[in-house]
Amino acid sequence: DQQVKQNSPSLSVQEGRISILNCDYTNSMFDYFLWYKKYPAEGPTFLISISSIKDKNEDGRFTVFLNKSAKHLSLHIVPSQPGDSAVYFCAASLDGGSQGNLIFGKGTKLSVKP
Amino acid sequence: NAGVMQNPRHLVRRRGQEARLRCSPMKGHSHVYWYRQLPEEGLKFMVYLQKENIIDESGMPKERFSAEFPKEGPSILRIQQVVRGDSAAYFCASSPLGGVQPQHFGDGTRLSIL
Repeated sequence: DQQVKQNSPSLSVQEGRISILNCDYTNSMFDYFLWYKKYPAEGPTFLISISSIKDKNEDGRFTVFLNKSAKHLSLHIVPSQPGDSAVYFCAASLDGGSQGNLIFGKGTKLSVKP
Repeated sequence: NAGVMQNPRHLVRRRGQEARLRCSPMKGHSHVYWYRQLPEEGLKFMVYLQKENIIDESGMPKERFSAEFPKEGPSILRIQQVVRGDSAAYFCASSPLGGVQPQHFGDGTRLSIL
């Protein structure tokens, strides 16, 4: 029973266009969400996070949107660049993260084509 | 991923042997987390430690697996009597305070069981 779901295993986008990566969760107690980016043979790198008291957080080309009623969040990357090609993981936690345990989705592989 | 150091990067063991994976957190970080990633899966939480204390080991298999984070030296994840199913990438993360700050990951140890 996956609590964090990334239903698209892969996504292909043209350079310069918008990339939208989606994530759904089942546990309404989750209150802190993160996106990580992972290159092959490397560890995940933190990209951006959002608390459940917000519905949007922006950092440069990256914006995360949270829809609590739908238990859905999305990561927008605009404009997309070839260097953004990687696997993107959505993660969730409880109690503002104080429990330490991150629950990850299975990831979406993004390919940005020149 | 600079900062969290994991070694070895690759480890090959025969069934029944012991595997020891080491993790040195980022400077100034006193909280360590271990995750396991099976092929085509997301990262799964195993254990959360502070110096000399296990805070949460709810994701750790009850047998053969143990973890420690001594007062001096790196955190160690130990797997005794390894089996084929232990083959995976093991990632360590650290944070300066309890919970997600966010967690910063190392590049992982890829464990292969012959």
